Amino acid sequence: EIVLTQSPATLSLSPGESATLSCRASQSVNTYLAWYQQKPGQAPRLLIYDASNRATGIPAKFSGIGSGRDFTLTISSLEPEDFAVYYCQHRDTWPLSFGQGTRLEIK
Amino acid sequence: EVHLVESGGGLVQPGGSLRLSCAASGFTFSSCAMTWVRQAPGKGLEWVSYISDSGSHTYYADSVKGRFTISRDNSKNTLYLQLNSLTADDTALYYCAKGSGSNSIYGDWGQGTLVTVSS
Repeated sequence: EIVLTQSPATLSLSPGESATLSCRASQSVNTYLAWYQQKPGQAPRLLIYDASNRATGIPAKFSGIGSGRDFTLTISSLEPEDFAVYYCQHRDTWPLSFGQGTRLEIK
Repeated sequence: EVHLVESGGGLVQPGGSLRLSCAASGFTFSSCAMTWVRQAPGKGLEWVSYISDSGSHTYYADSVKGRFTISRDNSKNTLYLQLNSLTADDTALYYCAKGSGSNSIYGDWGQGTLVTVSS
């Protein structure tokens, strides 16, 4: 089973700053990695799929990069609605798995 | 518009069973793979199970293999998850999610149904 490790666990930033979230896989997942945003009481929302492709309706402030084992999600010009928990998920092999999440909180 | 509505959750005793349903609308259900993901209270997301568009291929997390069974009825646009031999560790909000065709890219999710395993 592929283990996804996200860092940091918690990221404290101010509105207007940029956020950099990392996801490292225990073995290569090629580019089969997605990022989700989850707000309290809501279902996850797909942001990025296949490492760098924005999902439908996702603004350009969200960008992803990476391949193999290391991936990054960058969120520019943070707004209050961006503060949430972010998860990565691979679809390279079975079983699928999610990272443990990064909580992005307002500083 | 894609609409996914889970149901069937509730309180069940350890060792008990439940069947969850996910009613789908707004897309061609028989053309899309589906998945179940769960989230224990205050915890992260855990992938549970996948079923291909035709139902011919299924996969499970090790934590539920042999106890849970995923299935679908394409004539009813409904996805199911049979949960057997439940333990407290299965307590979670269970989400169904729609794949992008046969791919495990989940852009549409339901709001979840809560399963609580307790005596």
